[in-house]
Amino acid sequence: AQSVSQHNHHVILSEAASLELGCNYSYGGTVNLFWYVQYPGQHLQLLLKYFSGDPLVKGIKGFEAEFIKSKFSFNLRKPSVQWSDTAEYFCAVNARSGNTGKLIFGQGTTLQVKP
Amino acid sequence: GAVVSQHPSRVICKSGTSVKIECRSLDFQATTMFWYRQFPKQSLMLMATSNEGSKATYEQGVEKDKFLINHASLTLSTLTVTSAHPEDSSFYICSARARQEAFFGQGTRLTVV
Repeated sequence: AQSVSQHNHHVILSEAASLELGCNYSYGGTVNLFWYVQYPGQHLQLLLKYFSGDPLVKGIKGFEAEFIKSKFSFNLRKPSVQWSDTAEYFCAVNARSGNTGKLIFGQGTTLQVKP
Repeated sequence: GAVVSQHPSRVICKSGTSVKIECRSLDFQATTMFWYRQFPKQSLMLMATSNEGSKATYEQGVEKDKFLINHASLTLSTLTVTSAHPEDSSFYICSARARQEAFFGQGTRLTVV
């Protein structure tokens, strides 16, 4: 069965600090990978996604993620966080074959950025 | 991006009653929608896949008779929580795919008292 694991449940950073959130997945086939963000009181929004090609993916708001196939990882990074990045972050995968709409989510990471 | 609207955003109901949650794709057609449930401080768990014009596909462990899903048109899927109990209190979120991307509704906070 597919599963997604996010290593950090709650991260507290000061503004301008660098961020890396870990994400590992378990699945035997080819997957698409996503990072979503949920700001307080708002919808889930897509930060970035990886389908194929360059394993280093750049998303919105200065976020990037690197797919390392050998490690089954898709870690999210940002060089310098801002107070406005305070939110819940979810890593998700879906299988490239079959019902590609089903997303399996990690347990989420709460990021708190102190001004 | 595409817009998915979910209604209501909050609902409180008494034990034993039923609650209907609507999920609409506002500017695109969605043959498939997805219903998720999110417990406090936990991740989104897929409950079922809603297919327009056919029966929903439920994930293992989800009671189909309790969580009734109807996808009557290309822009509307509904989730009805029947005979609700306090343990059904949760945050329910729908999503629909457009252009290989999933777009999410704002979620519905259900509280059963």
